[in-house]
Amino acid sequence: GQNIDQPTEMTATEGAIVQINCTYQTSGFNGLFWYQQHAGEAPTFLSYNVLDGLEEKGRFSSFLSRSKGYSYLLLKELQMKDSASYLCAAMDSNYQLIWGAGTKLIIKP
Amino acid sequence: GAVVSQHPSRVICKSGTSVKIECRSLDFQATTMFWYRQFPKQSLMLMATSNEGSKATYEQGVEKDKFLINHASLTLSTLTVTSAHPEDSSFYICSAREGEQGPHSPYEQYFGPGTRLTVT
Repeated sequence: GQNIDQPTEMTATEGAIVQINCTYQTSGFNGLFWYQQHAGEAPTFLSYNVLDGLEEKGRFSSFLSRSKGYSYLLLKELQMKDSASYLCAAMDSNYQLIWGAGTKLIIKP
Repeated sequence: GAVVSQHPSRVICKSGTSVKIECRSLDFQATTMFWYRQFPKQSLMLMATSNEGSKATYEQGVEKDKFLINHASLTLSTLTVTSAHPEDSSFYICSAREGEQGPHSPYEQYFGPGTRLTVT
């Protein structure tokens, strides 16, 4: 079956770095997405990886290893506004997104 | 670019009535639209996928006669919750994908802001 695993909740300190891991198993693979979702709002796109390696975009970076079925989202210089849920989603061979349950990130001052 | 709107943003209705939610792609043509439901503190649950001009494909466990989806044009899809009950209260989110002909990523889903439905 198809499955996405990511931690339920993480806590980090303002100004620090946090890494949110995601492992996936899908029927075929057409890329890995990370979305940010604040409470009561719709998800917003953060990153898309389809090739192995690290993609950096400002304070956020995303890494993919297709052979390991593994991705992580790295957030640097954490700010209070980064408190949100982070959703990992893998695109299968039918170009459908398989969603993880999301990781709730709590930032403490 | 790639803006998706939803209307209404919030709706309260009485049990047994029907509610229609609109999803529009404002600056691109959405060949595929997706409808999700999200209960508090849970992840997105895909309800159905619709392609313009054809019938929606519903996920297992989603009643197609209760959740009517119409994707009549490349910029508009509607979800009608028929005979709503309190257990249908949820956050409904649509997303749209452009397809390979347009300037946007053919794989990325662009999300609307969501509709909070409360059935009393």
